Amino acid sequence: DADVTQTPRNRITKTGKRIMLECSQTKGHDRMYWYRQDPGLGLRLIYYSFDVKDINKGEISDGYSVSRQAQAKFSLSLESAIPNQTALYFCATSDFWETGSTDTQYFGPGTRLTVL
Amino acid sequence: GQQVMQIPQYQHVQEGEDFTTYCNSSTTLSNIQWYKQRPGGHPVFLIQLVKSGEVKKQKRLTFQFGEAKKNSSLHITATQTTDVGTYFCAHLRVGGSNYKLTFGKGTLLTVNP
Repeated sequence: DADVTQTPRNRITKTGKRIMLECSQTKGHDRMYWYRQDPGLGLRLIYYSFDVKDINKGEISDGYSVSRQAQAKFSLSLESAIPNQTALYFCATSDFWETGSTDTQYFGPGTRLTVL
Repeated sequence: GQQVMQIPQYQHVQEGEDFTTYCNSSTTLSNIQWYKQRPGGHPVFLIQLVKSGEVKKQKRLTFQFGEAKKNSSLHITATQTTDVGTYFCAHLRVGGSNYKLTFGKGTLLTVNP
């Protein structure tokens, strides 16, 4: 979705380097997420944030940290990158409606990260 | 934790043939979402089902939620090359501060023109 942007789109780095992936959205949504996608494993949630002051660990948060700088910005950091963090990373937003528990995820274009 | 199992992992069809992917759970699901990801693209939300036995249609796509709310299916009638991609089901569980959106591993559909 063009309303959710990610930078960089591709990144190659070396083991031990600190990496930051950035996500911005113009949808006005409070909720933002970081996922990683690996072949054959589907999408797995790393961290999520329901508002600027709220940060929560997802399914696979070890080795990652996040920062919610503003409603529209949510960054993912790899403090010391390792090769098994090579993956496709997606940022997503949602606007949760209590009625029907709808929480449609709107994904950014993804960042392909390679750790050598 | 609650998992959603998706089958098949891959499906190759001739253009014009039908296609179905299934999503199964050992426990009752409160809802099921379906997403499509084109090759090289990002997942795009298709639909959410919440009611037992619910059936929804989007043009050639038919989505069903089982009576027991333990399974769901996505059926595409007369596939076209534009249907190529990976189809994911996902289950959302929300309770207090606990949030969990669990994706199936997806079914990759390829269509031979």
